Order: sequence, then C-alpha cells, then structure tokens
Amino acid sequence: AQKITQTQPGMFVQEKEAVTLDCTYDTSDQSYGLFWYKQPSSGEMIFLIYQGSYDEQNATEGRYSLNFQKARKSANLVISASQLGDSAMYFCAMRGERGYQKVTFGIGTKLQVIP
Amino acid sequence: GAVVSQHPSRVICKSGTSVKIECRSLDFQATTMFWYRQFPKQSLMLMATSNEGSKATYEQGVEKDKFLINHASLTLSTLTVTSAHPEDSSFYICSARDRGAANTGELFFGEGSRLTVL
Repeated sequence: AQKITQTQPGMFVQEKEAVTLDCTYDTSDQSYGLFWYKQPSSGEMIFLIYQGSYDEQNATEGRYSLNFQKARKSANLVISASQLGDSAMYFCAMRGERGYQKVTFGIGTKLQVIP
Repeated sequence: GAVVSQHPSRVICKSGTSVKIECRSLDFQATTMFWYRQFPKQSLMLMATSNEGSKATYEQGVEKDKFLINHASLTLSTLTVTSAHPEDSSFYICSARDRGAANTGELFFGEGSRLTVL
C-alpha cells in the first residue's frame, strides 16, 4: 500500500520569495514515481513535476524543484520566486512500481502568496 | 502536454435522475482512465479504474451499480451517476495516462465536473 502525507494544511509566502511544501511517503515498492500537482480554485489539476525513485538528480521544471530525499522518504516541492498566480492547492502524489498502477494523492496544502 | 477534456463542467439535476459525464483524451490514446471524486477542501479519492474494452475496477466502498463506467474506445470513458441523490453532489474529475508515458505514469486530468443534486 502507498501512503502520502502532507502535514501543512496551509502556507503563506511573500511574493518573490521561495517556499517549500512538505511531502513524505511510504511504500514497499522498490520502484515508484512521485508527482506534484497544482489545483487552482477553478478545479483543474495541473501537473508540475515528476521524480522517479531511481533518478539520481532532483527534478526541476522552471521555478519548481523537487527536493528528493530517498532515505527520509520525502519529496518536498520548492517554488522559487513565488508569484500571485501560484496561490492554489498543491497535491503530492505517487504511483507504484508499474506505470499503470493507480496514483495516490495526499490531502494537499493550500498556498497563498501575499503581495 | 497531453489534453484531457471533460464534459459537462457543471451539472445540476433533480434527485432520482441520472447524469453522464464524459472524459476524452484529445491527442493521445488512453487504455486506462481513472475517475476521482473530490469533496470540498479534501483530496482526490479514486473511485474506479476504467479499462478500454473491459470492466472497470472499482475501489472498496464505491457502488458499481451507482457509478456506471464505460470505456468504449481508447479516447473516451464515461461515468454515469444513476439515480442521483444530494449526497452524490461532488466534484468528479477524470484522468488518463498516455500509453507513451508509461514510464513515468504521469496522469493528465480533465477540467472536472461539479455535480449538484437538488
């Protein structure tokens, strides 16, 4: 079974500052994938970044980077230079060993960027 | 990225009626689609996995006779909420996996459908 834990129900960050959203996971699979999705108030889920369990380097996508610490089973999302449009819910998620297995989501963190 | 379209985005219906929600992958083939339900301020809960050409796999606690899923082609899956009741009011969101992205398992999501049952 897979489990995703996001312990920050809400976070505030000043515009242009960096923010880290926490995510820890638990799985018995040797190979797995970790994702971060953004959900604005409109409801759609937007894929942000992916990290494979065997990837040696932390994933980066523009202003998003994933701080992957395998031994600690953590996959924190770092958003640099926050923008007002970053205000949204952020979900950490993971899939199991085989690509077609279902994806499990955490409960999310609500990020609010302050001007 | 790949595009998934979901329709309708909002639907209001009377109690006892059935509602169909469509999920289409527009620029890729999806042998597997997933239907999630999201209550306000909560996470996405997987309802079922829709497999093209075969029966859907439902998660524990999800009534398969209540939530009918059909995946008739590689680009279309439908969710029908039968005899809807107010407690079925929720945000339903579908997702699909591009067969070409099997290595990452990345899901592409539809826009979601907000169902309100009066």
